[in-house]
Amino acid sequence: DVKVTQSSRYLVKRTGEKVFLECVQDMDHENMFWYRQDPGLGLRLIYFSYDVKMKEKGDIPEGYSVSREKKERFSLILESASTNQTSMYLCASSLKPGELFFGEGSRLTVL
Amino acid sequence: QKEVEQNSGPLSVPEGAIASLNCTYSDRGSQSFFWYRQYSGKSPELIMFIYSNGDKEDGRFTAQLNKASQYVSLLIRDSQPSDSATYLCAVNIWAAGNKLTFGGGTRVLVKP
Repeated sequence: DVKVTQSSRYLVKRTGEKVFLECVQDMDHENMFWYRQDPGLGLRLIYFSYDVKMKEKGDIPEGYSVSREKKERFSLILESASTNQTSMYLCASSLKPGELFFGEGSRLTVL
Repeated sequence: QKEVEQNSGPLSVPEGAIASLNCTYSDRGSQSFFWYRQYSGKSPELIMFIYSNGDKEDGRFTAQLNKASQYVSLLIRDSQPSDSATYLCAVNIWAAGNKLTFGGGTRVLVKP
């Protein structure tokens, strides 16, 4: 069965802290994505990756960076967390364009 | 104008009726279209995709695409209370590097 696992379901961090959100997929998919979902704003693409060590900016990359050292793992990094980064973060992977498999999400609260 | 627009709802539908959800998009370069279902507190899951003009049926779901008018719709026949969820329309533009852009979603409530 398809599986995308996000390391933390709930996190509470302080302003200025560095935050790592990790995502692992077991489907050997080339493509991986990080979205954030906010009420009234929907799902917005932060970064995506088509291959190991490759990354592309999405629509809202500011304040975020990513790392893809292995095919199955895609990490989202908040270098200095701010309160406006409080959100639900969703990782996804895909083999075919548009056919995304999502993880369960990581709800981040920045105080 | 948002790239992908949906009525946020809620769309209230009696059990057994047809739920009709609409989605419009602004980029004529859009080439593939997807419907995701998201239950409250859960992640989105893919339920339908359509690439060509016309209708595509899968069980109780029918996706309809009209590229000339730039809209895509989803019909849910014989609606069940378990269909109560938010339905997200998503559009893929190959020329934009296969980015998937989501609409805000339509909340559907199926009442017994």
